[in-house]
Amino acid sequence: EAQVTQNPRYLITVTGKKLTVTCSQNMNHEYMSWYRQDPGLGLRQIYYSMNVEVTDKGDVPEGYKVSRKEKRNFPLILESPSPNQTSLYFCASSPHGDSLNYGYTFGSGTRLTVV
Amino acid sequence: QQPVQSPQAVILREGEDAVINCSSSKALYSVHWYRQKHGEAPVFLMILLKGGEQKGHEKISASFNEKKQQSSLYLTASQLSYSGTYFCGSLYNQGGKLIFGQGTELSVKP
Repeated sequence: EAQVTQNPRYLITVTGKKLTVTCSQNMNHEYMSWYRQDPGLGLRQIYYSMNVEVTDKGDVPEGYKVSRKEKRNFPLILESPSPNQTSLYFCASSPHGDSLNYGYTFGSGTRLTVV
Repeated sequence: QQPVQSPQAVILREGEDAVINCSSSKALYSVHWYRQKHGEAPVFLMILLKGGEQKGHEKISASFNEKKQQSSLYLTASQLSYSGTYFCGSLYNQGGKLIFGQGTELSVKP
């Protein structure tokens, strides 16, 4: 089944403890992206990747890191999480970054709580 | 740069119609529409390219007015399954930054 898989689904952590949220897609998509969703703010883009080894900042990149060493994986790294990073995170992928003809496929989401 | 959606929320009875608007202050390259049910991931509905193209998905269609930099989503004869939050996403160039609006919460009652 074609899908975007995120892990974990739920995570509670403490301030400052490094964590990684994994994202993997099995559709051979070139484009991958991370969003955070907060009430009243919609989905805000954190980072995106047009292809392997090509990443760029979205609108809210502070406090996050990403890497794209393989086409299928796009992990989101929080080096020193803070409570304001408590949010619902979504990974998304698309065949190509120009999105002219293809929508995004989203993962199931990761609900992160930083205490 | 975030597109502005209106209304923020709407309540319908089954069978009624609704329109959700998505406006941008900047020239649009394309507009995406997604629906998100509570506790689930957003699901892609359709893409509109500049040129006023209208597309359809079940009884849901959308248009893109390039002059007004606005896209509208039309839900006809709404069903209970249409309930959820609808997001438009604006792409301003081919660079890959899809920026979403704040969402419109749609509730369809029996």
